[in-house]
Parts: sequence; C-alpha cells; structure tokens
Amino acid sequence: AQTVTQSQPEMSVQEAETVTLSCTYDTSESDYYLFWYKQPPSRQMILVIRQEAYKQQNATENRFSVNFQKAAKSFSLKISDSQLGDAAMYFCAYRMSVGNQFYFGTGTSLTVIP
Amino acid sequence: NAGVTQTPKFRVLKTGQSMTLLCAQDMNHEYMYWYRQDPGMGLRLIHYSVGEGTTAKGEVPDGYNVSRLKKQNFLLGLESAAPSQTSVYFCASSPPDRRNQPQHFGDGTRLSIL
Repeated sequence: AQTVTQSQPEMSVQEAETVTLSCTYDTSESDYYLFWYKQPPSRQMILVIRQEAYKQQNATENRFSVNFQKAAKSFSLKISDSQLGDAAMYFCAYRMSVGNQFYFGTGTSLTVIP
Repeated sequence: NAGVTQTPKFRVLKTGQSMTLLCAQDMNHEYMYWYRQDPGMGLRLIHYSVGEGTTAKGEVPDGYNVSRLKKQNFLLGLESAAPSQTSVYFCASSPPDRRNQPQHFGDGTRLSIL
C-alpha cells in the first residue's frame, strides 16, 4: 500500500501570515495525482488544490499553492495571507494513475490566530 | 446539486445491534468508497466499488459489509456493532476515466456504539 505522511499534527499561524503544511509520500510510480483537502468543523471534505505528477509547474489556486518536489516525494501546501476561515484539518491525498484507491495522510490541524 | 448524500447523519447503537448506512450520488460516478475517520488516523478505506454489482475490500474491512445494487447507491452494513466501530463514516465517489479528478465526499455519519 502507498503511504502518505503528514508529520505536523498541529500548526498555527497568525492571521494574514503565511503557513506551509508538509506532506510526503512513498511510491515507485512515475505518474500519479496529489490532492489537498480541507475539512472545517462542519466535517465537509473540500478540495483545495490538485497536482499531476507529470506537470513540473506547481499548482496555484488563489492564496493556496503547492511546492511539489517529485524527486523528494514531497507535496507541501502553502497558504498565504491566512484568514480565520482557513482554520481546519488539512489532508494530503495520493492517487496512482492506475487503480482505484486514494491514500490519505493523517491530517494537520491548522489554527489561525486573530 | 445534491452530489453525495449520506443518511443518517448521526446514530447511536448498542453493542450487537445492526444497521445500514446509505450513500447516494447523483453524478453518475462509477467508483464509490466508504471510509472511516478516527482522531490521529486520517481516513481509512473500508470497502470500495468500481461499478454496479462489484465491491472490494479496503484497508479495514473487518466487521463491515457493503452492497452496490444500483450505480447511484452504496450501502455499508454493520452486522453486529462493536464499540471499536465508533467513528465518523464518509462516503465518496469519483469518475474512473479522469484520474486527476478528486473524490467527492458526503457530509459524514457520526456513529456511536455504546
């Protein structure tokens, strides 16, 4: 089974500052897909950003961007200009190019300090 | 758009009781999944289905059964509930032919076994 590791169980950031959440994964595949999900207290799982492994350019969605280091098998999420609404649990997920399963990390709980 | 709908949202059972969680999706997705979420453990795959009439075991299938009689529905059954099955359960769906597409999640079911 693939493994996805989020080594930071909890993180905090001052409002308007920048925070980076780390994610590493273990794979022997060259083609795969990576995702970051946000889970606020409402329990909804909301897609934040996605990255295809064959694309060298890092994905960006407004204040959210990733630092994808394929050789290091690292996929970190950067949140710029943090807002109170960013407070949530964040999950990193991996999907192979073939097969049906997604693999999730254990999550990072982000607190935004006013 | 309803997306993925889970029923019920909350349930309390006594040890040994049985119940079925229902997941319905209206996006015509082939793939459907059941996860459980426990503190510090992320999302763990229980069972999944790649199409109507098919099911497969995930990482933690023991104590659960599933059925996919209709493409839009995926049922998760607990035959004899145990306290260790106290968790939040999520259903998700995804299209098979677009690998960069994320899973779409329901809002979860909080299940407590006394």
